[in-house]
Amino acid sequence: EVKLVESGGGLVQPGGSLRLSCAASGFTVSSNYMSWVRQAPGKGLEWVSLIYGGGDTRYAESVKGRFIISRDNSKNLLYLEMNTLRPEDTAVYSCARGGIGATWAFDIWGQGTMVTVSS
Amino acid sequence: QSALTQPASVSGSPGQSITISCTGTSSDVGGFNYVSWYQQHPGKAPKLMIYDVSKWPSGVSNRFSGSKSGNTASLTISGLQAEDEADYFCSSYASSRTLAFGGGTRLTVL
Repeated sequence: EVKLVESGGGLVQPGGSLRLSCAASGFTVSSNYMSWVRQAPGKGLEWVSLIYGGGDTRYAESVKGRFIISRDNSKNLLYLEMNTLRPEDTAVYSCARGGIGATWAFDIWGQGTMVTVSS
Repeated sequence: QSALTQPASVSGSPGQSITISCTGTSSDVGGFNYVSWYQQHPGKAPKLMIYDVSKWPSGVSNRFSGSKSGNTASLTISGLQAEDEADYFCSSYASSRTLAFGGGTRLTVL
């Protein structure tokens, strides 16, 4: 079964750091482009970051310089390292797989992990 | 404020057709044929319904169709069914090498 499962969310103080993980099964993360998307409570989707199969990365302006997307090919894991967190970063963070043959469209999504930034 | 503009809500009766618009600029929707549409039921993960403006992922009903004219993309759902009631989000690749999402549209099946 093709599946994504996120972990690592939690409560963190403003200015703090957190690392999210996304475990893939049924496919290889390094063979696809992968992304992180977040959704604040009751709000819409917001794209956060993307990593291509070749390793190039892209970031939304709102997180550039604070977040880092990476992957561990040996463990088939995707990561999102989040630093200097702000209250507006509070959201459910989901990882998503780039659709084969599709451009910047995501055909497999995880259920997400909640990140709350608050003092 | 979302980068792409969608109506907050639309509604229709079973069997009818509805269209959801997604308006951007020449730097995103109008500049690339990389518009996607997602369906999201409450508490569930988004599901890809349309990609590259008008293509269907495997397993998606052809009752869902996508199109684009200028800076506005559209998702049309024909033969509305109760299970189509959900939130719908559009997205588009942008010239800044980023991805923009719309604010989402709540579809109510009357």
